[in-house]
Amino acid sequence: DIQMTQSPSSLSASVGDRVTITCRASQSINSYLNWYQQKPGKAPKYLIYAASNLHTGVPSRFSGSGYGTDFTLTISSLQPEDFATYYCQQSYSPPYSFGQGTKLQIK
Amino acid sequence: QVQLVQSGAEVKKPGSSVKVSCKTSGDTSTSFGVSWVRQAPGHGLEWMGGIIPIFGTTDYAPKLKDRVTITADESTNTVYMEMSSLRSEDTAVYYCARAALVTLSYHYGMDVWGQGTTVTVSS
Repeated sequence: DIQMTQSPSSLSASVGDRVTITCRASQSINSYLNWYQQKPGKAPKYLIYAASNLHTGVPSRFSGSGYGTDFTLTISSLQPEDFATYYCQQSYSPPYSFGQGTKLQIK
Repeated sequence: QVQLVQSGAEVKKPGSSVKVSCKTSGDTSTSFGVSWVRQAPGHGLEWMGGIIPIFGTTDYAPKLKDRVTITADESTNTVYMEMSSLRSEDTAVYYCARAALVTLSYHYGMDVWGQGTTVTVSS
């Protein structure tokens, strides 16, 4: 099975900050990496697929990059609605595992 | 617009089984995979397994494959997840989610999610 490791596990930032979350796979997953945003009590929301492609309607302040084993999610200028938990997920081979999550909190 | 609507909350005894449904409305193509993902209280997301309804082909997470069965009824556009031998550790919110972008593949993640079904296992 492929293990996904996110860092940091939690992050405090202010509105307007630029933040980066890292996701590492235990083996190469090419670009089969997706990102989700989850708010308390809600289903996850699809943000980015294939490492760097924004889903329809996702603000352009979100971006993703990476290939192989190392990936990043960047939010260029945090907005109040961005404070949430973010998960990466590999979709290279089953089981399609998730990272443990990064909780983005208001400083 | 695709929507996934799940069945209601369940309370089960340890050792029993539960069956959760996920009905698709809107684009009801049965060529898109449907996965099940669960989230225990205060924990992260866990991919449990998935099905391509048009073929009935399934994949399961190894740690759950002996207890989970995912099926699909094409006539009602409904996917089911049944879990047996329930334990307290199975207490979680269970989500169904549709594979994104392309048919017959899970390669691009999951773009549409159900509202979640809370399953509580308690004696």
